[in-house]
Amino acid sequence: GAVVSQHPSRVICKSGTSVKIECRSLDFQATTMFWYRQFPKQSLMLMATSNEGSKATYEQGVEKDKFLINHASLTLSTLTVTSAHPEDSSFYICSGIQGGDQPQHFGDGTRLSIL
Amino acid sequence: GQNIDQPTEMTATEGAIVQINCTYQTSGFNGLFWYQQHAGEAPTFLSYNVLDGLEEKGRFSSFLSRSKGYSYLLLKELQMKDSASYLCAVRDTGGFKTIFGAGTRLFVKA
Repeated sequence: GAVVSQHPSRVICKSGTSVKIECRSLDFQATTMFWYRQFPKQSLMLMATSNEGSKATYEQGVEKDKFLINHASLTLSTLTVTSAHPEDSSFYICSGIQGGDQPQHFGDGTRLSIL
Repeated sequence: GQNIDQPTEMTATEGAIVQINCTYQTSGFNGLFWYQQHAGEAPTFLSYNVLDGLEEKGRFSSFLSRSKGYSYLLLKELQMKDSASYLCAVRDTGGFKTIFGAGTRLFVKA
């Protein structure tokens, strides 16, 4: 099956640090990638949708200058949390889709803890 | 507006059958997905329905009625490892954007 690799799996850092999370589709070309965040016992909240080679589309309430998304190739998308603060602590998950009626394939997630 | 409803929690016994319901109201519809998510892990794909009817895949089956905005996930021969959250998700038309329900936490007891 389709595999999405997400790194790092866990990050603990000080407030004010910028954190970069990578998401790679290993055996398929992800025309579209999604970035979600999930708080404990809550649903996945879509942050942004990115298509290869174009600017990401952010959901309402998500600061595009704080959560920088780059989708430079069909197999790589990155999310950078700039100047992270404790309220940014969450579980961040990426997913990729090849297109058509294909399901999203999720990375393993990144647990971000800001001290 | 966009709304997906599913029960918050369910409990069932090992070896039994459980049905998890999902109702949705979305502006567009291009398929309904069910995912399984264990605590602290990412979701894994279970099933996909785009036409009305039942899709069977091993111990898991999923049903869709587009006219009623309704789906269910049926789990047979429950095992302890089936204890997880089950997410109902609807894909919008155009752009592959998918809206997720809050999930149903299933507890399987011996």
